[in-house]
Amino acid sequence: ILNVEQSPQSLHVQEGDSTNFTCSFPSSNFYALHWYRWETAKSPEALFVMTLNGDEKKKGRISATLNTKEGYSYLYIKGSQPEDSATYLCALPGGSTLGRLYFGRGTQLTVWP
Amino acid sequence: NAGVTQTPKFQVLKTGQSMTLQCAQDMNHEYMSWYRQDPGMGLRLIHYSVGAGITDQGEVPNGYNVSRSTTEDFPLRLLSAAPSQTSVYFCASSYLGQGVLDGANVLTFGAGSRLTVL
Repeated sequence: ILNVEQSPQSLHVQEGDSTNFTCSFPSSNFYALHWYRWETAKSPEALFVMTLNGDEKKKGRISATLNTKEGYSYLYIKGSQPEDSATYLCALPGGSTLGRLYFGRGTQLTVWP
Repeated sequence: NAGVTQTPKFQVLKTGQSMTLQCAQDMNHEYMSWYRQDPGMGLRLIHYSVGAGITDQGEVPNGYNVSRSTTEDFPLRLLSAAPSQTSVYFCASSYLGQGVLDGANVLTFGAGSRLTVL
């Protein structure tokens, strides 16, 4: 079992605020890290796949960084909008099965207008 | 291209009844999986499969059966429903590969099935 921790569990911000949250994982045997965005009443959708130490990915106002040596990834949202409200999940492949992902419990973001 | 299709979207069962949640994908993905989502628990893996004829248990397999007779279909069977199985169930699939940069191992999820067991 791969222990993937996400913090905080929930976050409430005002529209226009910038925010960030963390995914922590064991740094040994790192292969890849996935970020998924999960809106209420919908299904999770992939945001980023990160593989290299120092990687930075960006999609619009959302960006992510990766530190494989210390075992964490940050997800940043610049100028949060109400449509950014969602649960953000971090997942890593682990064990002997390539496709099997271990998910953190997610950070639930609410952006108030 | 429908992606991952789950049926039914909603189901109410009585304790002890059995049922099957259907999952089909049209992307020729080798990997298919079932997750359940409960408040505060995130996504927990029930069963998964890396190809036709091959299945394995995830974190919470008790009370569920799966089979994979074709690449496209991966049904989840509840043998004797219990109130503890009230949850939202997601089917997800991916193609398997070493090259993570080309989308390998990135999950595509179905729309979810909400199950209530009374």
